Amino acid sequence: ILNVEQSPQSLHVQEGDSTNFTCSFPSSNFYALHWYRWETAKSPEALFVMTLNGDEKKKGRISATLNTKEGYSYLYIKGSQPEDSATYLCAQIKAAGNKLTFGGGTRVLVKP
Amino acid sequence: EAQVTQNPRYLITVTGKKLTVTCSQNMNHEYMSWYRQDPGLGLRQIYYSMNVEVTDKGDVPEGYKVSRKEKRNFPLILESPSPNQTSLYFCASRAEDYGYTFGSGTRLTVV
Repeated sequence: ILNVEQSPQSLHVQEGDSTNFTCSFPSSNFYALHWYRWETAKSPEALFVMTLNGDEKKKGRISATLNTKEGYSYLYIKGSQPEDSATYLCAQIKAAGNKLTFGGGTRVLVKP
Repeated sequence: EAQVTQNPRYLITVTGKKLTVTCSQNMNHEYMSWYRQDPGLGLRQIYYSMNVEVTDKGDVPEGYKVSRKEKRNFPLILESPSPNQTSLYFCASRAEDYGYTFGSGTRLTVV
């Protein structure tokens, strides 16, 4: 994988259901992976910063896992609520520094 | 309140007229960055800075300049704007091992 890729591009979830989606990234020279939540007409908001293989992070009903050896991260939303509707972005930092490469995002729409 | 402030929020300008978008953060963050967001292309990094007087190119630096003379400020300069620089711009800052705090965005139109 040459770039940071997210799948699916969009998904519809029924309120109360759980869902998950994927961020794939080049595994070489891995330094850190960021997850952001971006609501329409607002600015992106940081969710997680993950650095170690096997990392698991949790914030309320949202959690993420990281596999740096195979180059992927999963974001999970448990018991989705309408306020979870947003675009979720992942971004990779390769080697120490500040050059961040974003994926295209997964747009989540939670239906009441 | 901890925040990243960028101005202006909206700007319409003409081709070739130099402009500066200001960005200031009050969190003493080392890292600052500028992004542009275009439909279908996602967020792309223009320039970033790891500290005062330390800046480097991101993925799409052509047509832009930055400076980091003080830790809190990171202005984005368009010396000769062109229509292909019409975009939504975000400034962001972060501390080591933390995620970015983003500004509210600047919607720029170059006609």
